[in-house]
Amino acid sequence: QVQLVESGGGVVQPGRSLRLSCAASGFTFSSYGMHWVRQAPGKGLEWVAVISYDGSNKYYAESVKGRFTISRDNSKNTLYLQVSSLRAEDTAVYFCAKDVALAGNGNFDYWGQGTLVTVSS
Amino acid sequence: SYELTQPLSVSVALGQTATITCGENNIGNKNVHWYQQKPGQAPVLVMYRDRNRPSGISERFSGSNSGNTATLTIRRAQAGDEAAYYCQVWDSSIAGAVFGGGTKLTVL
Repeated sequence: QVQLVESGGGVVQPGRSLRLSCAASGFTFSSYGMHWVRQAPGKGLEWVAVISYDGSNKYYAESVKGRFTISRDNSKNTLYLQVSSLRAEDTAVYFCAKDVALAGNGNFDYWGQGTLVTVSS
Repeated sequence: SYELTQPLSVSVALGQTATITCGENNIGNKNVHWYQQKPGQAPVLVMYRDRNRPSGISERFSGSNSGNTATLTIRRAQAGDEAAYYCQVWDSSIAGAVFGGGTKLTVL
């Protein structure tokens, strides 16, 4: 069965960096676009970034553009999100999600359980 | 870019029909997807491309999309349907996904 397991979250000071990982299993990872979606405490879902099946295309929400970098290693079935120049408003649970499409422009049929990033001094 | 408008909350009596809307100008021209999220859990896809149910989702869930409003309908509402529901589209103008603000469904 499809499994997505995020890791790498934690408490980090403003301005610092972190790398989140999402280990995928149960499907052909290299055939699907992948996303990061976040949810601030008590708030709704916010899309963060998408990467196409082969990593050739990446797109970001305006709120994170220039600070976050999405990447993937298809040989390791792993998705990454490098988060830099962190701000208090980046505090959220970060979910990875599998897209139904190669390009990542469809819908999200599987989600991980999320990893919490807390930005605090 | 798209801004999807959902009611903050919807209440429904046990066994009755709940309707959750998602509004945006000409949303009928988009594929709309719906997710259910219970407290402390990851979202679950309950409807894709307006009216298609994923495997394992109850047939009590149905969807429609026309004009300026997409709708998720839950018939014979059960206590287990209590959750937040989010609509979502892909906005090609920004090359990004857009979520509605979410609707908290309460079953009375």
